[in-house]
Amino acid sequence: DAKTTQPPSMDCAEGRAANLPCNHSTISGNEYVYWYRQIHSQGPQYIIHGLKNNETNEMASLIITEDRKSSTLILPHATLRDTAVYYCIVRRGGQNFVFGPGTRLSVLP
Amino acid sequence: IAGITQAPTSQILAAGRRMTLRCTQDMRHNAMYWYRQDLGLGLRLIHYSNTAGTTGKGEVPDGYSVSRANTDDFPLTLASAVPSQTSVYFCASSVQAGVYNEQFFGPGTRLTVL
Repeated sequence: DAKTTQPPSMDCAEGRAANLPCNHSTISGNEYVYWYRQIHSQGPQYIIHGLKNNETNEMASLIITEDRKSSTLILPHATLRDTAVYYCIVRRGGQNFVFGPGTRLSVLP
Repeated sequence: IAGITQAPTSQILAAGRRMTLRCTQDMRHNAMYWYRQDLGLGLRLIHYSNTAGTTGKGEVPDGYSVSRANTDDFPLTLASAVPSQTSVYFCASSVQAGVYNEQFFGPGTRLTVL
């Protein structure tokens, strides 16, 4: 799996958009970008994934740059319950997920 | 629908004892996984099973064994626990072990080995 680089921590004001960056400059053509989050003491929760097109679901949007070397997870209206560690993972078919240290997002009232 | 359940929620165990962590899913997923999570090290894959009857080693398999007798259950056994196995253990499953399939995680088991 390609390595990913994320900032260790970020703050976001409640109600504002949270933009979480991820760098994956060595990603190869058949690797997908996945995002998970882990709320304190709970198991990781799947958020979204994509290959090269931008993706949106009920939780978040995923913006992948044209060269696929970086991506941004967007939580459009962050709430206190979005406070968690967010993991960016790149993975190709048949490989297992490799979770790095992630970004600790704190949503502030 | 319960999803993935793990038992026990937490356990304190004396070193040298045998322990089995249970994991059950009711989603009829083919693939299942065991991870451990330690502070500063993220989640690390211990063992996995792509389908009932098959298992494979992950990143940190030593000291652990698994079995997959049926689709729903994937127990993790510590034959002789050691203090370095103190960790939070998460079980996960996915529809298939392929690129399109996200993993769903259980609530975790907090294990302390003294």
